[in-house]
Amino acid sequence: IQMTQSPSSLSASVGDRVTITCRASQTISTHLNWFQQKPGKAPKLLIYSASSLQAGVPSRFSGGGSGTYFTLTISSLQPEDFATYFCQQIYSSPPTFGQGTKVEIK
Amino acid sequence: QVQLQESGPGLVKPSETLSLTCTVSGGSISNFYWSWIRQSPGRGLEWIGSIYYSGDTNYNPSLGSRVTMSVETSKNQFSLNLRSVTAADTAVYYCARSDSGSSGYWGQGAPVTVSS
Repeated sequence: IQMTQSPSSLSASVGDRVTITCRASQTISTHLNWFQQKPGKAPKLLIYSASSLQAGVPSRFSGGGSGTYFTLTISSLQPEDFATYFCQQIYSSPPTFGQGTKVEIK
Repeated sequence: QVQLQESGPGLVKPSETLSLTCTVSGGSISNFYWSWIRQSPGRGLEWIGSIYYSGDTNYNPSLGSRVTMSVETSKNQFSLNLRSVTAADTAVYYCARSDSGSSGYWGQGAPVTVSS
């Protein structure tokens, strides 16, 4: 299953509302994860099952969608949120990732 | 707090076998699935495969028969062997724990370069 994220990169300011989209090449129900990755670090799980917040993740992060269309929203961008975000489907094997969306400071 | 740590050579010659071990601390390896995932600029994030603590495995078909994973519960470790490597296998290799398919715990990553 191919996962396609958009945009590939975006520039935003602290306090902005940011939305990243992820499309699956076939339906995956809600079997979708979102990860955040900072340079030189491992990906960090933010959202699982499309909309469930991983423990310890700030509530400004939210996920939505089902089927083939999914979103990750950051309600008010904070300095520590500048990173690359990946979606991952775990509906069928092999699990596959999107190509990533880099969130940069405007 | 569960922690994972990859270990192994950072340089492997073409056609040889890449071998990495992941040591789990702060929790038992039992009753979980454990994964290997790699990341390179050209291929992005790629799931290599998973192993259950009992030894059941599931590999990415894209890697064919080159992959073998094993688990050693007495040492709280699991391992990856990737045979016949080429430059395309150069990547950062991560180990991770899977909870219902979601990888909430990751190692810090082991950079591996394939070069003569």
